[in-house]
Amino acid sequence: ETGVTQSPTHLIKTRGQQVTLRCSSQSGHNTVSWYQQALGQGPQFIFQYYREEENGRGNFPPRFSGLQFPNYSSELNVNASELDDSALYLCASSSGSGGDSYEQYFGPGTRLTVT
Amino acid sequence: AQSVTQLGSHVSVSEGALVLLRCNYSSSVPPYLFWYVQYPNQGLQLLLKYTTGATLVKGINGFEAEFKKSETSFHLTKPSAHMSDAAEYFCAVGVTGGGNKLTFGTGTQLKVEL
Repeated sequence: ETGVTQSPTHLIKTRGQQVTLRCSSQSGHNTVSWYQQALGQGPQFIFQYYREEENGRGNFPPRFSGLQFPNYSSELNVNASELDDSALYLCASSSGSGGDSYEQYFGPGTRLTVT
Repeated sequence: AQSVTQLGSHVSVSEGALVLLRCNYSSSVPPYLFWYVQYPNQGLQLLLKYTTGATLVKGINGFEAEFKKSETSFHLTKPSAHMSDAAEYFCAVGVTGGGNKLTFGTGTQLKVEL
């Protein structure tokens, strides 16, 4: 069973540039969630995709957007990146119903640095 | 709205001593509760979960947690700490509405000393 993978591991961007992060979900999982983890903080929910549709969104501006593909992999895009976007971005996949649908498996993350 | 509070941002124990990491939740509905561990520069690993059923749940690496509805708590314990347990631990609650998302606490850094 393949776990959640993310690419790239590290990414450095200049303020104002677009950012694209990628995630492959765990085998058999149809839901992908993205979280932002600032240094010394707990992860904050950005959004979730289920069967290629956005299924929920946290308190993030519209310049944060996402996609889910038919194979359930996903992208997170950040337009016009800002210094405060520097963080660890975590992708998590899940499946099932009821309480089990909240059981999320995380990838290793992408460390984004905006200078 | 569901939320979690982790008491103590840093906890230090001696190797072989009891580990107790505290988590209290706020939820108007029966909660789904989770503990995750994060090692430096890595993602989150699921330690254990409570969704329904038995209130004492056992997880990986010898950890367990007990759901106490009357105290709105879900504290994480391990009888005997090992050096390899040094990491950051996050308590999370499953939040209904707007996706099956998790709301995390601010984390507790566990240090294990010889």
